[in-house]
Amino acid sequence: GAVVSQHPSRVICKSGTSVKIECRSLDFQATTMFWYRQFPKQSLMLMATSNEGSKATYEQGVEKDKFLINHASLTLSTLTVTSAHPEDSSFYICSALTLRLSGFSTDTQYFGPGTRLTVL
Amino acid sequence: QQQVKQSPQSLIVQKGGISIINCAYENTAFDYFPWYQQFPGKGPALLIAIRPDVSEKKEGRFTISFNKSAKQFSLHIMDSQPGDSATYFCAASRMDSSYKLIFGSGTRLLVRP
Repeated sequence: GAVVSQHPSRVICKSGTSVKIECRSLDFQATTMFWYRQFPKQSLMLMATSNEGSKATYEQGVEKDKFLINHASLTLSTLTVTSAHPEDSSFYICSALTLRLSGFSTDTQYFGPGTRLTVL
Repeated sequence: QQQVKQSPQSLIVQKGGISIINCAYENTAFDYFPWYQQFPGKGPALLIAIRPDVSEKKEGRFTISFNKSAKQFSLHIMDSQPGDSATYFCAASRMDSSYKLIFGSGTRLLVRP
């Protein structure tokens, strides 16, 4: 249980294009989803928090117009990197949390497998 | 005050030995302390977690020790195996802060056969 998927797992794009990454909770309803980025050999850096049906809350220093987050349903959140540049190349990881009693811990973040973005 | 400090940065242990990773925090409002294991190219996976009302929690070979007065917690991996070689992250969160996780800097563990 508590499976979170991400698609795609790897994407290579040209500079200036937009890339969409999907994050799905497969066996529970995610009241909150988080998006992180991770550079090689570094820790996870929280980019934004999104609650279903409301606007995402971005961390300081994260451009909300560049990293568009949509949490359209209780099982799906998307991150769109707009006008991607080489410096946006990174490992993007989502996590999902449920506050609803569903047999899973109600304050545990379950992480997806990550998406490797390479911008040429 | 939001930081979680993790040490050591890297750790080499012989097979069968005990791996110990330490974390310290400042914010006494934190109420949830998980440990995550991450293999290269993969997302973090929850190993074990503890709340401040408990001083120790054990799950299989993994044990968290929690010292509330010292604001420190540690992960002990007993009988370490080569398959445990990974990066380990401690983290902390607060229920009243949207459960946002504050991660430590990570420890790269290598278990030699």
